Amino acid sequence: KQEVTQIPAALSVPEGENLVLNCSFTDSAIYNLQWFRQDPGKGLTSLLLIQSSQREQTSGRLNASLDKSSGRSTLYIAASQPGDSATYLCAVSPHNTNAGKSTFGDGTTLTVKP
Amino acid sequence: ETGVTQSPTHLIKTRGQQVTLRCSSQSGHNTVSWYQQALGQGPQFIFQYYREEENGRGNFPPRFSGLQFPNYSSELNVNALELDDSALYLCASSYPSASSYNEQFFGPGTRLTVL
Repeated sequence: KQEVTQIPAALSVPEGENLVLNCSFTDSAIYNLQWFRQDPGKGLTSLLLIQSSQREQTSGRLNASLDKSSGRSTLYIAASQPGDSATYLCAVSPHNTNAGKSTFGDGTTLTVKP
Repeated sequence: ETGVTQSPTHLIKTRGQQVTLRCSSQSGHNTVSWYQQALGQGPQFIFQYYREEENGRGNFPPRFSGLQFPNYSSELNVNALELDDSALYLCASSYPSASSYNEQFFGPGTRLTVL
């Protein structure tokens, strides 16, 4: 059974700092890994998707890496801003299936202080 | 291109009642997955529909059931509501293909409160 862990559960940083969020998973037989952002009481916004054969993806100030063999992914946020405050979730999808059936971590709640 | 929509936004029910939640998938997407998210936790996979057929189910009892329609919209039905069913219910749509890598797009969710 796939298990996904995100550490730390909460993180508070001053504006402008670079930071790294961590995601680990127990079963390396994944099809993709997706990072999401969730604002309080809202749905999930897709940030980055890394297919299992890829090592990293970048979008603006965000960079996500994937090391499938060690079961780890990181989300790097450069020059953090107060608007980045949210919960960040990672999810892995099992190999060779249709979409969905993802296993999520419990998220890291980020607070960026002005 | 419209995104994933869900209705209603909020819902309050009492124990033992039944509820139906609705989801319209993103244009062109034929796969819908439903998730339950309890407060402070990550979403838990309930089930997935692909071209109107159930295509996988998580660890949820049979009183959680669903449908997908020819236009790929979907319903989640929960019978005999329990207090623990109080959660945010999320719907995600996708189109499985080599180029999309099965990326999922989520709706805003339905907040269900069971009293």
